[in-house]
Amino acid sequence: AQKVTQAQTEISVVEKEDVTLDCVYETRDTTYYLFWYKQPPSGELVFLIRRNSFDEQNEISGRYSWNFQKSTSSFNFTITASQVVDSAVYFCALSADYNQGGKLIFGQGTELSVKP
Amino acid sequence: EAGVAQSPRYKIIEKRQSVAFWCNPISGHATLYWYQQILGQGPKLLIQFQNNGVVDDSQLPKDRFSAERLKGVDSTLKIQPAKLEDSAVYLCASSLTGRREKLFFGSGTQLSVL
Repeated sequence: AQKVTQAQTEISVVEKEDVTLDCVYETRDTTYYLFWYKQPPSGELVFLIRRNSFDEQNEISGRYSWNFQKSTSSFNFTITASQVVDSAVYFCALSADYNQGGKLIFGQGTELSVKP
Repeated sequence: EAGVAQSPRYKIIEKRQSVAFWCNPISGHATLYWYQQILGQGPKLLIQFQNNGVVDDSQLPKDRFSAERLKGVDSTLKIQPAKLEDSAVYLCASSLTGRREKLFFGSGTQLSVL
C-alpha cells in the first residue's frame, strides 16, 4: 500500500525563523517519485519539487531545501528565514504504482503560519 | 501561459440535487485529473484521463459520480444525487504527458451540500 504521513498538522513560527516540515512515506515500489506542493489561501496547489527514488541528493532552491533519506523513508522540507508569504498549507505526495498510472497520493498537509 | 481554468468557483446545493463542474486544462496537456479535497485532508484522486480515455477511476463513486473529457480537452465532473459527505473542494489538474511529472492545478470548486 502507498501512504504519505505528515504528522505535523499545524506549525506556527515567527518571521525569520527556520522551519522543517516532516514527511514520511510508505511504498513497496523501488521506483517512485516524491513531490511537495504549496496551497496558499487562494486554493491552487503550486508545485515546489519532484524527486525520484534513485536520487538521494539533497536540494536547495533559495530559502527552500529538501532532505531525502531512503533509509528512513522521509522527504523533509525546510524553509530558512521564513517570511509571511510562506504561510500556506504544504503537501507532500508520492507517485508510485506505475502500472496504475502512477497516481499522486497526498499526505494530510501541514498548515504553516508565519507571523510578523 | 494560461493556467487550468475551473468553474464555478463556489456552489451550494441541497442533498439529492445534481451539480456539475467544468475544467479546461492547459493547452496541449494530455492528462487531466479530478481530485476531491475534504476540509483538513489532502487531495484524493477521483479520476485520471489520458487524452479522452480513462486511466484510473478506482476511487470514483460510480453510483453517483460521472466524468467525461470531451475530445480530449475540456472535462466535466457530475454528481447526481449529491450527499452531505460530498461537501469538498473539487480540484482539476493537468500535466503534459502523465508520466509522474508535476501537475498544474486549478483553483478548485468549493461545493457545499446542505
